[in-house]
Amino acid sequence: DVKVTQSSRYLVKRTGEKVFLECVQDMDHENMFWYRQDPGLGLRLIYFSYDVKMKEKGDIPEGYSVSREKKERFSLILESASTNQTSMYLCAIKQGSGGDYGYTFGSGTRLTVV
Amino acid sequence: KQEVTQIPAALSVPEGENLVLNCSFTDSAIYNLQWFRQDPGKGLTSLLLIQSSQREQTSGRLNASLDKSSGRSTLYIAASQPGDSATYLCVSGGTSYGKLTFGQGTILTVHP
Repeated sequence: DVKVTQSSRYLVKRTGEKVFLECVQDMDHENMFWYRQDPGLGLRLIYFSYDVKMKEKGDIPEGYSVSREKKERFSLILESASTNQTSMYLCAIKQGSGGDYGYTFGSGTRLTVV
Repeated sequence: KQEVTQIPAALSVPEGENLVLNCSFTDSAIYNLQWFRQDPGKGLTSLLLIQSSQREQTSGRLNASLDKSSGRSTLYIAASQPGDSATYLCVSGGTSYGKLTFGQGTILTVHP
């Protein structure tokens, strides 16, 4: 199975800072995803990527951007962090092809914006 | 729009009990159904994945079933242990690019 590594478990950033969240996989899967998880709202899709330099908006892309320069790395960028972006951020990899697939998630990054 | 509902929202049981977590979904045109476990402050750990052509999957003390026609999946945990305490999420997989719909989770507490 693929290993999904999120570089930071906990981050504290100030309002207005530019924040980078990194997600790295140890295999060659094409599809990578960024979710945020909030109490009472569950997991919501921010962005996903289906190949290098390819990206698609999810359900809540506002205030975020992404970068995928190499297949194994998918970065989530908060251009100007705000307190309402305090959340748990989860990276996921889709394993498989067509309709026969499953997901593997990273261990999450708990971001606090003060 | 797919909706996934999990019942109960919370469950507290003594150690050793067999228990069932329920999941229902509104759109039966799913590619798969995946059960995850999440410990507080951690990521999601995959427990069982059932593809749309399958009826059930088993791993150790866990068994998950899928009935697409009725829009239901169940996760059965045998001989529960305190280490099983966590939030369990039911997730349906939609279109081939991997659109997921998450249930709100069942918070399980197994006390000694």
